[in-house]
Amino acid sequence: KAGVTQTPRYLIKTRGQQVTLSCSPISGHRSVSWYQQTPGQGLQFLFEYFSETQRNKGNFPGRFSGRQFSNSRSEMNVSTLELGDSALYLCASSLDFRVAGGHNEQFFGPGTRLTVL
Amino acid sequence: GESVGLHLPTLSVQEGDNSIINCAYSNSASDYFIWYKQESGKGPQFIIDIRSNMDKRQGQRVTVLLNKTVKHLSLQIAATQPGDSAVYFCAEVSGGSYIPTFGRGTSLIVHP
Repeated sequence: KAGVTQTPRYLIKTRGQQVTLSCSPISGHRSVSWYQQTPGQGLQFLFEYFSETQRNKGNFPGRFSGRQFSNSRSEMNVSTLELGDSALYLCASSLDFRVAGGHNEQFFGPGTRLTVL
Repeated sequence: GESVGLHLPTLSVQEGDNSIINCAYSNSASDYFIWYKQESGKGPQFIIDIRSNMDKRQGQRVTVLLNKTVKHLSLQIAATQPGDSAVYFCAEVSGGSYIPTFGRGTSLIVHP
């Protein structure tokens, strides 16, 4: 079974530009979550999509957005890039993020390393 | 490889030793806890989880202990191997939000 794939793996942008990152979940997984990882803040939750709907959202500005397609593939977009957006962006998929009384295992992709100059 | 964190707490052990990685969590209402391992250049990988109604859970070479009184979680790795070298994160999940909150991570270095 193929794992979670993310494209591109590396990206360099300049301030003010916008960027779109892509995530293909494991086949059959309907939930896709996005995380930002930085040395200063660690791993932080951005948002989660399930069946093309955003179900959960972390504490990030509106410049960060995402969407999910009918095949569960997901994209996240960051507009008006700032230097502080430089980070590793991780995507994780699971059968369903929510399970009553528990938590379905999430499988992470390798991430997209975004550098903003 | 890519660095996942600067100035992380570091635990250095010899191959074959047992390792204990600690984590303090913040929300007493969290009802689910997870340990992840992240190797350089890779995304986090699930190791083991535990529900708040348990105080211990064992896996293959790993044991997680939960002390809700002091909001403390630990991961014990038996007979540590060089392949265990990685950054280890704990995460807490509240059933109300389903959003995991991650700890800062601990870097484990295993010397052959």
